[in-house]
Amino acid sequence: AQTVTQSQPEMSVQEAETVTLSCTYDTSESDYYLFWYKQPPSRQMILVIRQEAYKQQNATENRFSVNFQKAAKSFSLKISDSQLGDAAMYFCAYRSAMNRDDKIIFGKGTRLHILP
Amino acid sequence: KAGVTQTPRYLIKTRGQQVTLSCSPISGHRSVSWYQQTPGQGLQFLFEYFSETQRNKGNFPGRFSGRQFSNSRSEMNVSTLELGDSALYLCASSLGSGRLADTQYFGPGTRLTVL
Repeated sequence: AQTVTQSQPEMSVQEAETVTLSCTYDTSESDYYLFWYKQPPSRQMILVIRQEAYKQQNATENRFSVNFQKAAKSFSLKISDSQLGDAAMYFCAYRSAMNRDDKIIFGKGTRLHILP
Repeated sequence: KAGVTQTPRYLIKTRGQQVTLSCSPISGHRSVSWYQQTPGQGLQFLFEYFSETQRNKGNFPGRFSGRQFSNSRSEMNVSTLELGDSALYLCASSLGSGRLADTQYFGPGTRLTVL
């Protein structure tokens, strides 16, 4: 069974600084997708960034980028120029590409605080 | 386009009762997935429906069931409620093709409290 581990339950970063959230996963599959989701307080979960396992190039979305290390099964999220609106719970997630269904396996999350 | 909607937003029930939660996906989306979110266990996959068929199921007891209608709206039912069923129940919809490009869009959730 696949598992996703986020070892940092909480983190804080100064506004405008850069922060990296860690994620490791375990799988025996060779083809899969990885995601970072953001859940702001009392607001809906939204997709931040996604990565296909067979693509070596790291995904980037504006201030958000990932460091995908397939051999190490590591998938960290870097947030540059942190803004107050980035304060949220961040979930690392895994989805198999072997099946056509939408089942996502989530990590326990990292709560990110932005300090003004 | 309207987003994913879930009703009701809040529910209070007592042990032993049963409850039905509803999810309306984004128009055109055929897949609806359900997740349970608790502080202790985090987000756990319950089940996914695509074109009225359950496509996958998580490790939950049979008290948890669901269905999907021809208009893609989905309901989940929990019978014989237990205190541990208190959670935020999230549903997510997507086109359902299974490709990476199919972003899952989440609803605001239904907060269930079991007393």
